[in-house]
Amino acid sequence: EADIYQTPRYLVIGTGKKITLECSQTMGHDKMYWYQQDPGMELHLIHYSYGVNSTEKGDLSSESTVSRIRTEHFPLTLESARPSHTSQYLCASSGGSGGPFGELFFGEGSRLTVL
Amino acid sequence: AQSVTQLGSHVSVSEGALVLLRCNYSSSVPPYLFWYVQYPNQGLQLLLKYTSAATLVKGINGFEAEFKKSETSFHLTKPSAHMSDAAEYFCAVSDPGSGGGADGLTFGKGTHLIIQP
Repeated sequence: EADIYQTPRYLVIGTGKKITLECSQTMGHDKMYWYQQDPGMELHLIHYSYGVNSTEKGDLSSESTVSRIRTEHFPLTLESARPSHTSQYLCASSGGSGGPFGELFFGEGSRLTVL
Repeated sequence: AQSVTQLGSHVSVSEGALVLLRCNYSSSVPPYLFWYVQYPNQGLQLLLKYTSAATLVKGINGFEAEFKKSETSFHLTKPSAHMSDAAEYFCAVSDPGSGGGADGLTFGKGTHLIIQP
C-alpha cells in the first residue's frame, strides 16, 4: 500500500480564494509530481520536483505554484481560484530508479470545485 | 513525440468473460509501456509494465499485456472478469531516452471497464 497522502480530498470554494492542496509521502522518495485529471481526458503533468528546492513546470500550463522545502512535502497553491480550475488533482511520487522506468505511487486525489 | 491511444472510452463485459482493453502507441524509439488502474475515488496504481524484457508481461490481479512492436500495441487482457475489476484503466508510454522522471511519461485518456453481473 502506497504511503502518499493528499488533503483535502474534496474542496468547494468561491472564486478568488487562495487554496493549498497538501501532499505528503513517507517513502523517502526524491521525485514528486502533480497531475490534473478531468473526466474522459488523459492525465496531464502540471508540476514535478526531483528533490528539495527543485521544481519544474509540466506539459500542461497551470496557474498554480508548488514548493519543495522538505523531501516528504509537495504542496500546490492557487493564489486566486477560478471556475476553470475545477478538476481533480493527483499527487504522485517515485524513488530510486522510479519514474517511467519504475513505478509511480499516487495519492487518492483532491477534487476541487470552484464556484 | 510520443502518444497513446486507448480504443473505447467504455468497455462492458459480463462477469467471467474475457477482458480486452486496447492500447496503441506511437514513439520514435522503443518505448517503455505501462498499465495503471484507478478504482473509484482512489489514485492510480501500477498493474504492469514493459521495459524491453519479455514481451508478455504479467501483472497483479490476473491481468497481463503483450507488447507487439509490429502492431505498436500493448493490449491488456484478463481471462475471466470479476466484479471487482470495475475501474478506470490507463495506458502510458515513456521514452527511455527522456532521462527518466514522469516528465517523459504520456498517459492515454483511459478506458472505463464495466462488469455486468
